[in-house]
Amino acid sequence: ETGVTQSPTHLIKTRGQQVTLRCSSQSGHNTVSWYQQALGQGPQFIFQYYREEENGRGNFPPRFSGLQFPNYSSELNVNALELDDSALYLCASTSRTGANTGELFFGEGSRLTVL
Amino acid sequence: AQTVTQSQPEMSVQEAETVTLSCTYDTSENNYYLFWYKQPPSRQMILVIRQEAYKQQNATENRFSVNFQKAAKSFSLKISDSQLGDTAMYFCARANAGGTSYGKLTFGQGTILTVHP
Repeated sequence: ETGVTQSPTHLIKTRGQQVTLRCSSQSGHNTVSWYQQALGQGPQFIFQYYREEENGRGNFPPRFSGLQFPNYSSELNVNALELDDSALYLCASTSRTGANTGELFFGEGSRLTVL
Repeated sequence: AQTVTQSQPEMSVQEAETVTLSCTYDTSENNYYLFWYKQPPSRQMILVIRQEAYKQQNATENRFSVNFQKAAKSFSLKISDSQLGDTAMYFCARANAGGTSYGKLTFGQGTILTVHP
């Protein structure tokens, strides 16, 4: 069973640029969620994708957008980067079935630094 | 807002001893899930233990157990026989049960636990 994988692991951008982060969900999982984790803080829910559509969004501006593909992998795009966007971005997957326990399975994250 | 609060930014314990991490939460839902996740320096969030709110019995996983007080909205984690590998950031989290709630966790601020030899 393949776990959640994310790429890249680290990247550096400058203010105003755009970034795309990628996530492959765990085998058998059809729901992907993205979280932003600032240094020393708990993760904050950005949005979730199910059946290739956004299905719930946290308190993040529209310059945070995403996609989910037919194979359930997902992308997080952030436009017009700001210094405060520097964080660890976590992808997590789960499966919407009757046996769902509410547990999320996380990747190791992408560390974004905005200069 | 449905929040999760961890009031202990840092805790330390000697190896083989017991430590308890505190968590309180706010919700208007009757059915939900509560979790403790561990995040070691490797960054990957790992599930330690989960509790379903409709179950009165406290969850237990080997050395890890919880004290779930639904009326008080309290969910503490007890780690027995602490090991050096338990050193990590611990997050308490909550999620509504069912439907479109899957995957939407609300996390606390975290507690850094250090286990000393």
